[in-house]
Parts: sequence; structure tokens; C-alpha cells
Amino acid sequence: KAGVTQTPRYLIKTRGQQVTLSCSPISGHRSVSWYQQTPGQGLQFLFEYFSETQRNKGNFPGRFSGRQFSNSRSEMNVSTLELGDSALYLCASSRSERKVTGELFFGEGSRLTVL
Amino acid sequence: AQKITQTQPGMFVQEKEAVTLDCTYDTSDQSYGLFWYKQPSSGEMIFLIYQGSYDEQNATEGRYSLNFQKARKSANLVISASQLGDSAMYFCAASGSARQLTFGSGTQLTVLP
Repeated sequence: KAGVTQTPRYLIKTRGQQVTLSCSPISGHRSVSWYQQTPGQGLQFLFEYFSETQRNKGNFPGRFSGRQFSNSRSEMNVSTLELGDSALYLCASSRSERKVTGELFFGEGSRLTVL
Repeated sequence: AQKITQTQPGMFVQEKEAVTLDCTYDTSDQSYGLFWYKQPSSGEMIFLIYQGSYDEQNATEGRYSLNFQKARKSANLVISASQLGDSAMYFCAASGSARQLTFGSGTQLTVLP
């Protein structure tokens, strides 16, 4: 059974550019959530999607956005990149329709460096 | 709102010995879940174990067990018979009414040969 797949694994951008990250959840999982991990702030929740609808959003500026497609694949976009956006972006998928349960599995992450 | 506290930035354990990683939580939710994840240097968050707030028995998954003490709001991870491959960062996390995880700051575990 394939796990959560994130692409690209590594990328380098410059300030002001935008970036799109992709996440393919485990087959059958309809919930996809995104987290940002930085040395200073640790792991922080970005947003969560279920059946193409954003159900929860963390405390991030509007430059951070996402979407989910009918096949449950998800993308997140960061516009007008800042140096502080350099981070590991992790995607997690879950089968659960309601509250978060033990079936929450993460991908290997996309490591973004902003120069 | 939830808060997770991991007070051990780093821990060392001898191979084949057991180790306990501490985690305390604070939540206003009546129903919540507690998780432990392992993050090796590659970056992937590997799910280890889950405990629901209403589960009466402590969760166990192979060499991992979660010592859940609800009154003390603690959810410590016990790893038995440590292996060199257990060296990694370990995160405690909680979920509640909001569909998101709140993570602690992590504990870097080093297993010594």
C-alpha cells in the first residue's frame, strides 16, 4: 500500500516567487492536512481539506493557500515568498471523516529553501 | 486550545535498555487523542502510537507503549529494548475538536551502542 507522496522533495526559490507543493494521500483517505516545520516555530498546522472543502485553517497569512481535487490529491501554494517561509512542509492523510484518530500518516515532506 | 509540553530536549539510552519520553498536555476538549511520532533525519513523520482520551487501557504497538495518566495529563512514550535505529526526534501531539494536531517541541533520542 503506497504511503503519502509529496512532490517535490526539495526546492529552492528566491524571495518574491511563488511555489506549489503537491500531496497524494494514501488510497482511500479523503482528508489531507498540511503542516509547516521550522527550527524556530516547530510544527504548525496550516490547513485541512476533506472532500475538496477546507474545513480548518491555521494562523497563517493569506499568502498560504491550498486546494483539494476530486481524487483527494492536494496542493498548497505560497505566494510572494519570504525568507521565513523556508521550512519543511509536511502533508498528512487520514481516512477519518470526523475527529482526528490514530490513522494519520505523514509524507516525507517538501523542503523549501527561500534565498 | 491545546498545549503539549516535552521537557526533555535530548535523551540518551543504552542499546537494549528501555527509555521513557515525557509528554504532558493541556486541553479544554472533553474528547481528544494523543499521538507519538518519530522523525528521523530524513524528515518523514512516522506514526508510532495513538491513545484516545476515553480508552481505558494504555495503547501498545510492538516495542512502543503509551503510559496514559489522564488525571496527571501525561502521555509518556515507553520504548522497550532500544535499538540503534530508534535514534531520532520524537514528537508528542494531541488532537481535539479541531481537526488538527498540536505538537510538542520534540525530544532527540540517541541510542548508544
